[in-house]
Amino acid sequence: AQSVTQLDSHVSVSEGTPVLLRCNYSSSYSPSLFWYVQHPNKGLQLLLKYTSAATLVKGINGFEAEFKKSETSFHLTKPSAHMSDAAEYFCVVRYTGTASKLTFGTGTRLQVTL
Amino acid sequence: EPEVTQTPSHQVTQMGQEVILRCVPISNHLYFYWYRQILGQKVEFLVSFYNNEISEKSEIFDDQFSVERPDGSNFTLKIRSTKLEDSAMYFCASNPRVAGEDNEQFFGPGTRLTVL
Repeated sequence: AQSVTQLDSHVSVSEGTPVLLRCNYSSSYSPSLFWYVQHPNKGLQLLLKYTSAATLVKGINGFEAEFKKSETSFHLTKPSAHMSDAAEYFCVVRYTGTASKLTFGTGTRLQVTL
Repeated sequence: EPEVTQTPSHQVTQMGQEVILRCVPISNHLYFYWYRQILGQKVEFLVSFYNNEISEKSEIFDDQFSVERPDGSNFTLKIRSTKLEDSAMYFCASNPRVAGEDNEQFFGPGTRLTVL
């Protein structure tokens, strides 16, 4: 079955330290991969997307993710966390052959402490 | 910046009652979606809608559910006879097209449905 796994339900980092949110997907030909963020009482906002171009994808607010086909991973990173990064992060995949359906991971709640 | 809006933000209803969740997609978008997230679980795809008809639906989207674009701006999800297990956050999304690079879906803030 097509699926995406977020390995950590909760990640806590100190402000100014690196962020790593992990995501693995079940292997498929040419998936499109996304990271969405949800701040409290807000909609899901796209951070970045991979659609078969460069494997290192840069997104908004200093986030980036690297598509590694050999590891079926698409981990989200940021060199230095900011308090405003505290939110829920979703790794999302769209598989070839499903015209529009997005498949979500379970989400990772990022906490940023002083 | 254009955004997807949803009303109400929170809906409380009794089991067996009908509910209609409303969404206003971004104005030039052509594809519309509903997703839901039961508390503590994944966001799940329900249905996609294009050119006034359903283009794809999940197993969750049974005969109790229906969607409609009644007036060219609103996009609604109706649940005919709510069950306790329909309690969830419901997200509406839209995008200008499906195929190609620009296939980002823009999401609304969600409607929290509570069935008592």
